[in-house]
Amino acid sequence: LAKTTQPISMDSYEGQEVNITCSHNNIATNDYITWYQQFPSQGPRFIIQGYKTKVTNEVASLFIPADRKSSTLSLPRVSLSDTAVYYCLVGDPYYNQGGKLIFGQGTELSVKP
Amino acid sequence: NAGVTQTPKFQVLKTGQSMTLQCAQDMNHNSMYWYRQDPGMGLRLIYYSASEGTTDKGEVPNGYNVSRLNKREFSLRLESAAPSQTSVYFCASGTTGQEETQYFGPGTRLLVL
Repeated sequence: LAKTTQPISMDSYEGQEVNITCSHNNIATNDYITWYQQFPSQGPRFIIQGYKTKVTNEVASLFIPADRKSSTLSLPRVSLSDTAVYYCLVGDPYYNQGGKLIFGQGTELSVKP
Repeated sequence: NAGVTQTPKFQVLKTGQSMTLQCAQDMNHNSMYWYRQDPGMGLRLIYYSASEGTTDKGEVPNGYNVSRLNKREFSLRLESAAPSQTSVYFCASGTTGQEETQYFGPGTRLLVL
């Protein structure tokens, strides 16, 4: 399973765009990149998933370069409520009926007023 | 839909006691998972069940047993609790395939004295 590396923490201010980069040098051909968000005292929740190029939904955008060895989660115009831990996961969603996702330490994002 | 529910929310045990953490989902998902999260760390997979009737070990299975009672329910048992099992336990259920996501319960906080 591909290992991921993310910054331990990031600070931002309300209204700014935040980009969190994740490195996954040994990503496999069938692997997808998935991001989860976790608020204190809650379970993680799905944000976005992609395989290549760019994926956008109502919450975030995910940028994946052609070599797929890294990916960037982009949160537009963050607010205080975006303060959370963000996890980057890499895995094959078709393998073994869901397989096993590896959660790293995540990136603790702190948004200040 | 209630999503993923877990009981109890909080439990205190003495070393050597046993207990079962209950998890149920009403989303008709095939896959279910148990994770533990220690302070300042990401989630670590204890066991997972790809479908009713099957279970597999995750990253940290020692000291735990699981039962996939039916498609809805997946329980985690601690036969002889140890202080090292003090943690927050999350249950999740998930789908397979593209856009595969895991849906997490609210967690059970376990303190072993």
